[in-house]
Amino acid sequence: KQEVTQIPAALSVPEGENLVLNCSFTDSAIYNLQWFRQDPGKGLTSLLLIQSSQREQTSGRLNASLDKSSGRSTLYIAASQPGDSATYLCAVGLYSGAGSYQLTFGKGTKLSVIP
Amino acid sequence: KAGVTQTPRYLIKTRGQQVTLSCSPISGHRSVSWYQQTPGQGLQFLFEYFSETQRNKGNFPGRFSGRQFSNSRSEMNVSTLELGDSALYLCASSEGPGAPAFFGQGTRLTVV
Repeated sequence: KQEVTQIPAALSVPEGENLVLNCSFTDSAIYNLQWFRQDPGKGLTSLLLIQSSQREQTSGRLNASLDKSSGRSTLYIAASQPGDSATYLCAVGLYSGAGSYQLTFGKGTKLSVIP
Repeated sequence: KAGVTQTPRYLIKTRGQQVTLSCSPISGHRSVSWYQQTPGQGLQFLFEYFSETQRNKGNFPGRFSGRQFSNSRSEMNVSTLELGDSALYLCASSEGPGAPAFFGQGTRLTVV
């Protein structure tokens, strides 16, 4: 059974700092990995998706890396802003029997960026 | 393009009742998945539908069921509600299995 762990559970940083969020997973036979952000009481916003054959993806100030063999992914946020405050979720995509696909989520890292 | 729409946004139900939640995916998306989010368990997978077929189901009791219609819209039903069913229920749509998933705002269900 795939398990996804995100460390730390919460993180507080001053505005402008660069930061790294970590995600680890137990089964390396993943199809892809997706990073999301969730604002309080809201749905999830997709940030980046990395296919299993890729090493990293970039979007603006965000960079996500994937090391499938070690079961790790990181989300790097450059020059953090108060608007980046949210919970960041890592989700691993797996194909199971009969071609079915599902995402398994970590419990998230709650980020607070202090002005 | 409109995003994923979930209705209703909020629901309050009594133990023992049943509830139906609705999800309209992004136009052109044929895959719809449902997740339950609680503070203790985080996000847990409920079902995945593709072209009206349930292809995968998570580890939830039979009280949780769902379906997908020919226009890709999906509903999930929970019968005989329990207090522990109180959660945010999220729907995600994608072009197909493995494609980027886009989530709705969720339905907040409170069982009293």
